[in-house]
Amino acid sequence: DTAVSQTPKYLVTQMGNDKSIKCEQNLGHDTMYWYKQDSKKFLKIMFSYNNKELIINETVPNRFSPKSPDKAHLNLHINSLELGDSAVYFCASSPQGRGVTEAFFGQGTRLTVV
Amino acid sequence: LAKTTQPISMDSYEGQEVNITCSHNNIATNDYITWYQQFPSQGPRFIIQGYKTKVTNEVASLFIPADRKSSTLSLPRVSLSDTAVYYCLVGALLMDSSYKLIFGSGTRLLVRP
Repeated sequence: DTAVSQTPKYLVTQMGNDKSIKCEQNLGHDTMYWYKQDSKKFLKIMFSYNNKELIINETVPNRFSPKSPDKAHLNLHINSLELGDSAVYFCASSPQGRGVTEAFFGQGTRLTVV
Repeated sequence: LAKTTQPISMDSYEGQEVNITCSHNNIATNDYITWYQQFPSQGPRFIIQGYKTKVTNEVASLFIPADRKSSTLSLPRVSLSDTAVYYCLVGALLMDSSYKLIFGSGTRLLVRP
């Protein structure tokens, strides 16, 4: 029973296309995140949602648009894909509350833009 | 936001104790120290978290000195399956009580037979 699940696991697409990555968590957490891990393995936060509200929006191009239909889902839509968007994207969730920093990550979506 | 610094890589042998030290000179009063483990092709996995002194769970121990400017993750008797990247994080508490996790570059641990 997967706690945080992302689909698809692999995504190969051409430059200029629009694609979406879906994420669902069944942990009852209030907060969900999107992280990007580049080829050098640096993990950078992109977005954070708390109870469907956008909390963190790092300096991410506006081609990236997160959507949270409910607090169990946080999807990532990417418009006009570029070569530099190739990376592994991780969805994560965590419970809300002071002192709690345990986040649960999905398996990642490896996006390759050709 | 506090930045973390940790060794890029470490080598060890099966059965040894491994200590990975992380420095976080600018840690704030509200910040907790958290360690994550990441295997290839998988998402990071929470290992342990602490605020001060020592914390121990079934996987590891975390030692935090009084000034909290550094922390040491201790893995007892490592096995080959402990080969992974270990990230030291300092969480930033936000106004809504959620946390922003700032990942550093991580330490690549290689355990040899």
